[in-house]
Amino acid sequence: GAVVSQHPSRVICKSGTSVKIECRSLDFQATTMFWYRQFPKQSLMLMATSNEGSKATYEQGVEKDKFLINHASLTLSTLTVTSAHPEDSSFYICSARPGQVFSEQYFGPGTRLTVT
Amino acid sequence: AQSVTQLDSHVSVSEGTPVLLRCNYSSSYSPSLFWYVQHPNKGLQLLLKYTSAATLVKGINGFEAEFKKSETSFHLTKPSAHMSDAAEYFCAVSGGRGGGYQKVTFGIGTKLQVIP
Repeated sequence: GAVVSQHPSRVICKSGTSVKIECRSLDFQATTMFWYRQFPKQSLMLMATSNEGSKATYEQGVEKDKFLINHASLTLSTLTVTSAHPEDSSFYICSARPGQVFSEQYFGPGTRLTVT
Repeated sequence: AQSVTQLDSHVSVSEGTPVLLRCNYSSSYSPSLFWYVQHPNKGLQLLLKYTSAATLVKGINGFEAEFKKSETSFHLTKPSAHMSDAAEYFCAVSGGRGGGYQKVTFGIGTKLQVIP
């Protein structure tokens, strides 16, 4: 149980275009989902926390107009990178937390974004 | 405020010898502590977690970690390394019980190399 999927696993897009990444909790309802970014040989940096049905909370330094997060249902959150630039190339990982207050996070397999 | 320091960016061991990956933490609250493993281009898999129960925590794949409050440490150990253990390992801290109440802060990671 507690499986989180991400789609796509890899995406290449041209500079200036937008790309959407989906995060799904497959066998549980996730009231909270998290989006992380990981640069090569570095740790995960939390970008934003999204709660179902409300606006995402962005970490300091993360542009909310560039990284659009939608958590429209209890099993799906999406991250849209708008007007992508090569410096947005990174590994994006989502995680999901079930409804219980003290439950742990379950991580997706990640999405490798390359902007050319 | 909370933080994690992984003392070694790279650890190399011979197959069959013990593994020690070091982690020190700082937290304003009673922390929950985690170790995750990440294989190349994959998401994070939880190895084990400490949430204020027994201080010696046993995880998957033969790993264990001991919470030492006096030393603010949560080192990861395994008696005998296997080739499949070669991966990146992340220590993480959360300020609340179960890791779900507060956001999780990750260390920079330790790359474990296992030599045949």
